[in-house]
Amino acid sequence: EIVLTQSPATLSLSPGERATLSCRASQPIINYLAWYQQKPGQAPRLLIYDASNRATGIPARFSGSGSGTDFTFTISSLEPEDFAVYYCQHRSGWPLTFGGGTKVEIK
Amino acid sequence: EVQLVESGGVVVQPGGSLRLSCAASGFTFTDYPMHWVRQAPGKGLEWVSRITWNGDSTYYADSVKGRFTISRDNSKNSLYLQMNSLRSEDTALYYCAKDGTGFTDYLDYWGRGTLVTVSS
Repeated sequence: EIVLTQSPATLSLSPGERATLSCRASQPIINYLAWYQQKPGQAPRLLIYDASNRATGIPARFSGSGSGTDFTFTISSLEPEDFAVYYCQHRSGWPLTFGGGTKVEIK
Repeated sequence: EVQLVESGGVVVQPGGSLRLSCAASGFTFTDYPMHWVRQAPGKGLEWVSRITWNGDSTYYADSVKGRFTISRDNSKNSLYLQMNSLRSEDTALYYCAKDGTGFTDYLDYWGRGTLVTVSS
């Protein structure tokens, strides 16, 4: 099973600041990584797939990069609605797994 | 508009069984594999199972293999999860999710979830 380790667990930032989240895979997964956003009481929302492709309707302030084992998710300038938990997920074989999540909170 | 509506979540005793359902609409159900994902209270996401468009291949997390069975009825645009030998650690919100459009094994639409509580 591929383990995805996200860091930091919590990120405290102010609106307008840049957020940089990390996801590290326990073995190479090429670029088979997605990022999701989850707000309290809501289902997750797909933001990024295949490491760097924005899903339909996702604003350009959200971006992803990386390949192999190290991946980065960036929010260029935090909007009030971006404070949430973010998860990475791989699709490089079975079982699919998610990272433990990074909570982006208001400082 | 894509809609996924889960149902069937209840309080059940350890060792018991339960069947969850997911009613899909707003897309061509037979075009997509489907998934179940769960989230224990206050915890992260855990992928549970996947089924191909025609049901001929299924995949499971190790934590549920041999106890849970995923299935679908394309004539009813419905997805199911039969859960047997339930344990306290199966307590979670269970989401039904659609495989991606233009890519596979990423989940581009999710339901609101149905809560399963395993407790005596």
